[in-house]
Amino acid sequence: DAGVTQSPTHLIKTRGQQVTLRCSPKSGHDTVSWYQQALGQGPQFIFQYYEEEERQRGNFPDRFSGHQFPNYSSELNVNALLLGDSALYLCASSSDQQETQYFGPGTRLLVL
Amino acid sequence: AQSVAQPEDQVNVAEGNPLTVKCTYSVSGNPYLFWYVQYPNRGLQFLLKYITGDNLVKGSYGFEAEFNKSQTSFHLKKPSALVSDSALYFCAVRGYGNNRLAFGKGNQVVVIP
Repeated sequence: DAGVTQSPTHLIKTRGQQVTLRCSPKSGHDTVSWYQQALGQGPQFIFQYYEEEERQRGNFPDRFSGHQFPNYSSELNVNALLLGDSALYLCASSSDQQETQYFGPGTRLLVL
Repeated sequence: AQSVAQPEDQVNVAEGNPLTVKCTYSVSGNPYLFWYVQYPNRGLQFLLKYITGDNLVKGSYGFEAEFNKSQTSFHLKKPSALVSDSALYFCAVRGYGNNRLAFGKGNQVVVIP
């Protein structure tokens, strides 16, 4: 049983560019959450998707957007990249009936 | 609002000694509490959770945590630390009906051989 998978593992972009990160949830999970983890910090909640809708959003600007597909996989899009967007982006999946979020290995984004 | 405080940046312990990593939380209503561990260049790995029931919860790899409602704490413990327990540990909380996990800043645990 595959766990949460994310792609790519690493990414380098320049300021002003756009990036798309991808996440496949653990088998049987229908809910996907995205977190940003800056260096030396704990993860910060970006948003959560359930039934292809954004269900809850953290304190992130509109440059951060997402999508969930019918197979429950998800994408995180970031437009107009800033140097401060450099971080590890973590995807977590869960079942709407369970409390535990299981995390993927993350995508490390570097903005130059 | 919901938040977590992990007051120590780093915890050093000798191999074989008891390990404690401290966490206090703030949340409206009953808390859902979690501990995760992160190894270098890896995602977060779930260790254990408290939702309801016994205040002492047992998790993976010999870890346990004690929920104390009056002190709003959820400290992680292991009776005998291993060198392989050296990692970054995160406490997280969410309130009932809230889907967002709020994390502490993490504690680096160093187990000395």
